[in-house]
Order: sequence, then structure tokens, then C-alpha cells
Amino acid sequence: DTGVSQDPRHKITKRGQNVTFRCDPISEHNRLYWYRQTLGQGPEFLTYFQNEAQLEKSRLLSDRFSAERPKGSFSTLEIQRTEQGDSAMYLCASSPPGQGKAFFGQGTRLTVV
Amino acid sequence: RKEVEQDPGPFNVPEGATVAFNCTYSNSASQSFFWYRQDCRKEPKLLMSVYSSGNEDGRFTAQLNRASQYISLLIRDSKLSDSATYLCVPFSGGYNKLIFGAGTRLAVHP
Repeated sequence: DTGVSQDPRHKITKRGQNVTFRCDPISEHNRLYWYRQTLGQGPEFLTYFQNEAQLEKSRLLSDRFSAERPKGSFSTLEIQRTEQGDSAMYLCASSPPGQGKAFFGQGTRLTVV
Repeated sequence: RKEVEQDPGPFNVPEGATVAFNCTYSNSASQSFFWYRQDCRKEPKLLMSVYSSGNEDGRFTAQLNRASQYISLLIRDSKLSDSATYLCVPFSGGYNKLIFGAGTRLAVHP
């Protein structure tokens, strides 16, 4: 399967713990996005990369959130000191250079208890 | 003003009906437009791309009105399997990011 993969698919964590999610994009795609989605809402932009460069991070994102794409391939999203409001689906998508077509992974569903 | 605005619905229609959704966008530099379909608790999947005035793919037609900055999606002969949320994405090209609308929910009933 050469699609976008995300790991883990589900994560339950206690409030205050740190969590890290991984995304492996389609290999020839140099653009990688992270989104957060809650029930009844569209995907909310978090950050995106062009190769290893982080081009933008949402102003809505607190300093507890950080993302990396060290070699321009896979990416990680870390949330420190999780809060109940962080409970959501975290979606990763990749796209070819300069295109608006994005291909999504199946997401990581985070539950903070 | 939000970058992308969509009527959240739900649109409840019987099988066989024709239904249309609108999506308005604020960035006049948007060059291409995309409709994604998202089933409940699944990831979004690309449905249609629009690069000029419109696009047609079977029962689905997308039309672009650049002057009024909106794009519409028309679904003819609705099927039960069309029940989903439809997300609109305008794209300005280059290094610009993809911003999704909140989506329009469609429920097709027998």
C-alpha cells in the first residue's frame, strides 16, 4: 500500500502526558499537512511542510504542539502536557508539489482522559 | 470573514433527487478548487478538481463563479451511498496551504 499511513490509529492518554504521532506520506509527495478535526467540523489546519521546511504553523496552535519532518520524509506531531480539549482526530495529508490535491491518512484518534 | 464558508446542512433528500451545495471563498487569488467527500469517522477523499469554469464527472458537476467567488457542487440522481459530508477547498497554488471548509452534510433517504 503506497498511501499515507499514520500511527497509531488510536491513542488514549491521561491529561498532562505527552503524545507523539507519526505520519508517512506518499513517497513522491514533498508537501505534508497536519490537521485536527472534531465532530461536526471540517479539518482544521495545524501546520505544513515543504520537504523538511515547516512553512507555517497555525496561530491557533499553542506552544504545546510541535511538528517535525527531519529528512523531508515522515513527520511527527507531538503534543505536550495534553489537555482534554486536545481530544480529536489528527489527520495527516500529503500532496505533490504545488498542487491542491491532498491524500489523507486514516488519522490518529486521540482521547485525553 | 472565514476563508471558506459552507452551509453545514444537513441536506435531507430522497433517493433520485438533485441537490446542490455552495461554497464561498474569500481569497480572490484562488486558482483551483477541490471537492472532498468525507464519510462518518473516515478521512476525506478527493471527489473532484476544478481548474476552469467547471467540471463534470458522471452524476457530479462542479461549477465555478469567480466573479462572485463561489463554487457549487451538483449531485444528480442521488444515491443512498452519496450520504456523506462534502468539503470545499480553494487553492492559490505555489507555497499556499490547503484550507478546508467546515463541510456540508448530505443525508439521502429511501
